[in-house]
Amino acid sequence: NAGVTQTPKFRILKIGQSMTLQCAQDMNHNYMYWYRQDPGMGLKLIYYSVGAGITDKGEVPNGYNVSRSTTEDFPLRLELAAPSQTSVYFCASSSQGATPRYEQYFGPGTRLTVT
Amino acid sequence: QQQVKQSPQSLIVQKGGISIINCAYENTAFDYFPWYQQFPGKGPALLIAIRPDVSEKKEGRFTISFNKSAKQFSLHIMDSQPGDSATYFCAASITGRRALTFGSGTRLQVQP
Repeated sequence: NAGVTQTPKFRILKIGQSMTLQCAQDMNHNYMYWYRQDPGMGLKLIYYSVGAGITDKGEVPNGYNVSRSTTEDFPLRLELAAPSQTSVYFCASSSQGATPRYEQYFGPGTRLTVT
Repeated sequence: QQQVKQSPQSLIVQKGGISIINCAYENTAFDYFPWYQQFPGKGPALLIAIRPDVSEKKEGRFTISFNKSAKQFSLHIMDSQPGDSATYFCAASITGRRALTFGSGTRLQVQP
């Protein structure tokens, strides 16, 4: 299993540009999440999904959009990029099953710079 | 509003020593408290987790202590090793919601 994969690894955007961060998982997990990690800070939840076709806002959703058309994929769309969106973005997934650990599996991250 | 407060921000420990990281939470609805370990350039990975019905959980050299009345929990790393050098995040969630609220992280450096 590849686990959670994210592309691209690095990206530089100009202010006002748009892009999509890709995320895919091959563990058949129902739950998927997008977090951002700013320097010296913890991860903050942007959006999450409990299954295909179902998404919900997290703590910091402004400036982002998501869709979940399949179980495997959960892309994050940035519209009109702003310097405040410079961050490292992590995608994660977890199982709906009754594992007591409710473990979230994280991808390697996408480092985005907006200038 | 930061719902999970973590301290210290950074920690230097000698090899073989005990590393202690503390977290405090505000939301009494939280009922799952994991710790994640993150190495540079990698995503976080689950280290150990606890539920509030127990006061302590141990897995190898890693122990979580939990104080429900004080709304605090801590990670103890016994016999700390240079390979433990990483950033550690505490987190909390509500069963059924699954989404995690993270602390700000502690950068641990274990000196040989």
